[in-house]
Parts: sequence; structure tokens; C-alpha cells
Amino acid sequence: DIQMTQSPSSLSASVGDRVTITCRASQSISTYLNWYQQKPGKAPKLLIYAASSLQSGVPSRFSGSGSGTDFTLTISSLQPEDFATYYCQQSYITPYTFGQGTKLEIK
Amino acid sequence: QVQLQQWGAGLLKPSETLSLTCAVYGGSLSGNYWSWIRQPPGKGLEWIGEIYHSGSTNYNPSLKSRVTISVDTSKNQFSLRLSSVTAADTAVYYCARGSDDYGGLGHYYYHMDVWGKGTTVTVSS
Repeated sequence: DIQMTQSPSSLSASVGDRVTITCRASQSISTYLNWYQQKPGKAPKLLIYAASSLQSGVPSRFSGSGSGTDFTLTISSLQPEDFATYYCQQSYITPYTFGQGTKLEIK
Repeated sequence: QVQLQQWGAGLLKPSETLSLTCAVYGGSLSGNYWSWIRQPPGKGLEWIGEIYHSGSTNYNPSLKSRVTISVDTSKNQFSLRLSSVTAADTAVYYCARGSDDYGGLGHYYYHMDVWGKGTTVTVSS
């Protein structure tokens, strides 16, 4: 299985901050990388697919980049509703695997 | 837009079989993959498996011996069965739609873009 490792595991930030979350794959996955946001008690929500494509309806302050083994999710200016847990997921090969999550908390 | 509604038994005893169903509203099963994902309490996400509308399946090898995913096109539903459950199978179970976007040069980028609300399943004697 492809192992996905996110860093950091948790992050404290303030409204208006620029935040970057990193995801590393254990082998090259080209750009077969998705990002999801999950709020407590809710299902995950797709933010970014194919490493950098913004899902319809997702605010443009979210962006993704990377290819191969290293990827980033950037939130350009944090809003109160962005405090949540973020997961990366590889779709290069089954079994699809997720990172362990990054919990973004209010400072 | 497409919505997924899921249901099933929430409390099981060890060795019983977990059974969940997910209904697709506002769209068809055709042309998409349909997945099950689970999340143990306080932990991350684990992909269980998927089924294509034609009935072909892919399972996570870690669960493959116990998992069956099936589709009922007449009811626009798909289902998960997980046999011989233990406490380790306690989790919130989600159904989700898998979609492919064509990115050129023969590349199809798969992602799970519609999710059910989740069903909490507890295994306890």
C-alpha cells in the first residue's frame, strides 16, 4: 500500500493567516492526490483533486500544488469556517489511502 | 444534485455481520464508482472498497476476506456487508461517490466528491 504522511499533525493559526499543510507519499503518485476537509461529526468534503484542481463551489483561498511524492494544501487567508481537520488521499492505485490528518485549530 | 442516504444496524455483537445500504438520489448509479470508507473513533479515514455500476469491485486487501459490496440498479442503491465483526470494526461508516475527471493524455483523476452523512456502527458484547 502507498503510505501518505501529513505534516504537521496539528496546527494553531489565526483568522487571516496563510497556512500550508504538507503531504508526502511513500512512492510517486504523479498528481493523483486529493484533499478533503472534515468538521466534527460531519462527512469529509472534497476541496482539491488532481493535486491542484479546485472542486466546484470551494472558495478560491484554497489551493493545492505538487507532483510525484510531495504535495501542499494552502489556505491563503484563514476564515473562521476553515478550522477543521484536513486529509490528503492518493488515488493513484487501490487501496486508496489517506494521510493521518492535520487538525487546524484557532490560536 | 446527487445526494446519498445511508442506513443500517448501529449495534452489533462480535462475530455478527455488518450490513449497510446507501441510496442515490438525484442521479444514477451509472458511470460512477461507489465507495465505502470508515473512520474509527478519533482516528483517520480507511477506504474499504468500491463497486462500479456494472458490478465490478475493488476491495482493500486488509478487509477483502470479510467484505462484500453489491449494487442494486433497480433501487439505485449499493450495499456493504462486513462479516465476523470485532470491536476493531467499531467506526463511522461513510458511503461516497467516486468520480473521474479526464486530465488529458489518458489520465483520469479519481476523487470522492459526494458523501453520505455516515452511520455509527458499534461492536460490543
